[in-house]
Amino acid sequence: AQKVTQAQTEISVVEKEDVTLDCVYETRDTTYYLFWYKQPPSGELVFLIRRNSFDEQNEISGRYSWNFQKSTSSFNFTITASQVVDSAVYFCALSEISNFGNEKLTFGTGTRLTIIP
Amino acid sequence: EAGVAQSPRYKIIEKRQSVAFWCNPISGHATLYWYQQILGQGPKLLIQFQNNGVVDDSQLPKDRFSAERLKGVDSTLKIQPAKLEDSAVYLCASSPQRGPTADTQYFGPGTRLTVL
Repeated sequence: AQKVTQAQTEISVVEKEDVTLDCVYETRDTTYYLFWYKQPPSGELVFLIRRNSFDEQNEISGRYSWNFQKSTSSFNFTITASQVVDSAVYFCALSEISNFGNEKLTFGTGTRLTIIP
Repeated sequence: EAGVAQSPRYKIIEKRQSVAFWCNPISGHATLYWYQQILGQGPKLLIQFQNNGVVDDSQLPKDRFSAERLKGVDSTLKIQPAKLEDSAVYLCASSPQRGPTADTQYFGPGTRLTVL
């Protein structure tokens, strides 16, 4: 069965500090996708990134960067120079093909990030 | 482009009552998902529709939960009768098409249900 572990339940950092959110996954699939979503207090899950299992290049988007390491089954997310608006719950997710042939996401339990002004 | 719409945003009911949630996906999106998110947990898929057909309802408690997607557009999720453990946020999401390319799912704001 697929599993996503986000061991950090809550993290607090002072504004402008860098912070890394960890994500470790388990899968027997050779082809899979990994995702990060942000859930602000409004409740809506906001898509941040999707990464194919064959593409291990790190990605940077503004202050956000992602480190995908297949060898350690990790897909970590770093926010550089954090801002108060980054305060949210962040979810890592793994796609799988179910027994019904459809694709479904397995989410981690989330990491609540608080940026202190 | 309008996002996924859900209503109501909040609902408080007594146990054993019935409740219904509505979702309108992004225009043109063939696939629609309903998730249950219990406080402190990640979302869990309840049911997935492809157009107006059910693709996966393996985690839907069918003795009390039902969902439909008439005409392959908007969808309704119903709970009858509600239990205390149904208190959660119910999220609707949509994506352009079915896998296997892992379409990005776009989520609505959710409906927060409290069962007293």
